[in-house]
Amino acid sequence: KQEVTQIPAALSVPEGENLVLNCSFTDSAIYNLQWFRQDPGKGLTSLLLIQSSQREQTSGRLNASLDKSSGRSTLYIAASQPGDSATYLCAAPNQAGTALIFGKGTTLSVSS
Amino acid sequence: ETGVTQSPTHLIKTRGQQVTLRCSSQSGHNTVSWYQQALGQGPQFIFQYYREEENGRGNFPPRFSGLQFPNYSSELNVNALELDDSALYLCASSKSGTGGINEQFFGPGTRLTVL
Repeated sequence: KQEVTQIPAALSVPEGENLVLNCSFTDSAIYNLQWFRQDPGKGLTSLLLIQSSQREQTSGRLNASLDKSSGRSTLYIAASQPGDSATYLCAAPNQAGTALIFGKGTTLSVSS
Repeated sequence: ETGVTQSPTHLIKTRGQQVTLRCSSQSGHNTVSWYQQALGQGPQFIFQYYREEENGRGNFPPRFSGLQFPNYSSELNVNALELDDSALYLCASSKSGTGGINEQFFGPGTRLTVL
């Protein structure tokens, strides 16, 4: 059964810092992993999708890596800005490939 | 390209009532999944619909049911509402030839409050 864990649960940083959010998953037989952003009370915005054949995926200041052997993914945010303040969720497919299993998220606060 | 839309935005019901939530999938997508997100938690998978049939279900009781229509839009129905059903309900659509998980795109959600 796939389980996803994210640490830390919350993170506060000053503007301009580079930071890393961590995600671990128990079932390494995944074919992709997805990172999302969620603003308070809103839906999820897809940030990055990493296929199992890839080790990294980049979009602007965001870089996500995937290491299936260790069951870990990281989301790297460069030069953080106050507009980056949100909850970041990672999600991996379940064994049947019919659903995404989510972590509880990391709530990021970037102060100016 | 039209994104995923959901209606209504907010809903208040009382315990024991029934509710129907609606979702229109993104253009070109044929698979719809529903998730429940309680406050402070990650979304929990309810079920997925592909080709108008349920294609997977999470740990939710039968009073949670759904439909998918020929235009790939979908409904989530919840009967006999309980206080714990209060949550943000998220719909996600994806494009798949087999119904498996590809990149999912989420709607803005429906906030359900049960009193």
